[in-house]
Amino acid sequence: AQTVTQSQPEMSVQEAETVTLSCTYDTSESDYYLFWYKQPPSRQMILVIRQEAYKQQNATENRFSVNFQKAAKSFSLKISDSQLGDAAMYFCAYRSAEYGNKLVFGAGTILRVKS
Amino acid sequence: DVKVTQSSRYLVKRTGEKVFLECVQDMDHENMFWYRQDPGLGLRLIYFSYDVKMKEKGDIPEGYSVSREKKERFSLILESASTNQTSMYLCASSFAGHLATNEKLFFGSGTQLSVL
Repeated sequence: AQTVTQSQPEMSVQEAETVTLSCTYDTSESDYYLFWYKQPPSRQMILVIRQEAYKQQNATENRFSVNFQKAAKSFSLKISDSQLGDAAMYFCAYRSAEYGNKLVFGAGTILRVKS
Repeated sequence: DVKVTQSSRYLVKRTGEKVFLECVQDMDHENMFWYRQDPGLGLRLIYFSYDVKMKEKGDIPEGYSVSREKKERFSLILESASTNQTSMYLCASSFAGHLATNEKLFFGSGTQLSVL
């Protein structure tokens, strides 16, 4: 079974600075998808960014980018120019390309943004 | 925008009660999911459904059942609530189209259930 590990329970960043959230995963599959979801205090989960495993190029979405290292099974999220609105719980998630629609989530990282 | 609505934001029940958590989506999604969120454990899949009256067990189905009589509604049932089922419950839905283009999950805002 696939597992997703987020080793940082909490992180802090100063407003306008850059922060990186770590995620590693374990799988024997070669084709899969990886995601970062954000959960603000409203509890509404929001998709931040996704990466297809067959793509070597790292995904980017405005201030959010990933460092995808397939051989190392690592998928970190970099947030540049951090804003107060980025404060949330961030979840890394894995989905098999072959075996259906369910996501496997990590334990989450709480990100605090200081003004 | 897609809307996934969970009937209660907070719920308090007593041990042994039968509990229904309701979820409704308005985008004609085939897939619907129930996750449980606990501190330090992330989200764990309880059950999912890929069509009306179809269901599959997730990773932690024990103590739960589900019902999907209509496409837009997916209910999670705790037959006899226990204190270890105190948790945040999140419902989600998605299309069942080609995975590469339609894999996005849309979540509800969660139900915080306390079993006393």
